Amino acid sequence: TQLLEQSPQFLSIQEGENLTVYCNSSSVFSSLQWYRQEPGEGPVLLVTVVTGGEVKKLKRLTFQFGDARKDSSLHITAAQPGDTDLYLCAGAQRNAGNMLTFGGGTRLMVKP
Amino acid sequence: DAGVTQSPTHLIKTRGQHVTLRCSPISGHKSVSWYQQVLGQGPQFIFQYYEKEERGRGNFPDRFSARQFPNYSSELNVNALLLGDSALYLCASSWQQGRYNEQFFGPGTRLTVL
Repeated sequence: TQLLEQSPQFLSIQEGENLTVYCNSSSVFSSLQWYRQEPGEGPVLLVTVVTGGEVKKLKRLTFQFGDARKDSSLHITAAQPGDTDLYLCAGAQRNAGNMLTFGGGTRLMVKP
Repeated sequence: DAGVTQSPTHLIKTRGQHVTLRCSPISGHKSVSWYQQVLGQGPQFIFQYYEKEERGRGNFPDRFSARQFPNYSSELNVNALLLGDSALYLCASSWQQGRYNEQFFGPGTRLTVL
């Protein structure tokens, strides 16, 4: 059982649709990061959220950290084919030396 | 500024062999972490080094070892390779081992064990 559960694992949608990816845990995180990753490349950091209830926006992407800092969501508005990628959440726990624990990832495909 | 660099980009080994992977962090970053990413899964934490000292170790066997040099570059060594060690090995650097621990990843080394 993974410490961070991401859902859905796979998502295939049409261009222009909205979508939400969820990252859930029973553990509290001091911070949570979202990455996107192209095939065969390293993950690229999108955002870091650190405060419970925090909302951050990055163009068409909206990130939210749960009030209890146990969960997070990524919402994409009007998805475009260029959004196609693997999306990863990763949490840091202070009592684990702030090492990152990754979720299993959500593979998003946006069809034109 | 250059990002995190890793070498080699691809590597093919046979079972039982040994491999050394190398990583250079972003200039000014003192912490390096290593992750293993098996196809279709999220990265799994292997090691973290800060100021040349091991600060964390994931659930990996003793066949995996690492070190950090005075210039903050790092090596990951894997002995007695198994087929299951085939994966993308990612190196990430961060400025310090701080609360927010924002990590920036290199392109990875794709290891194939035959």
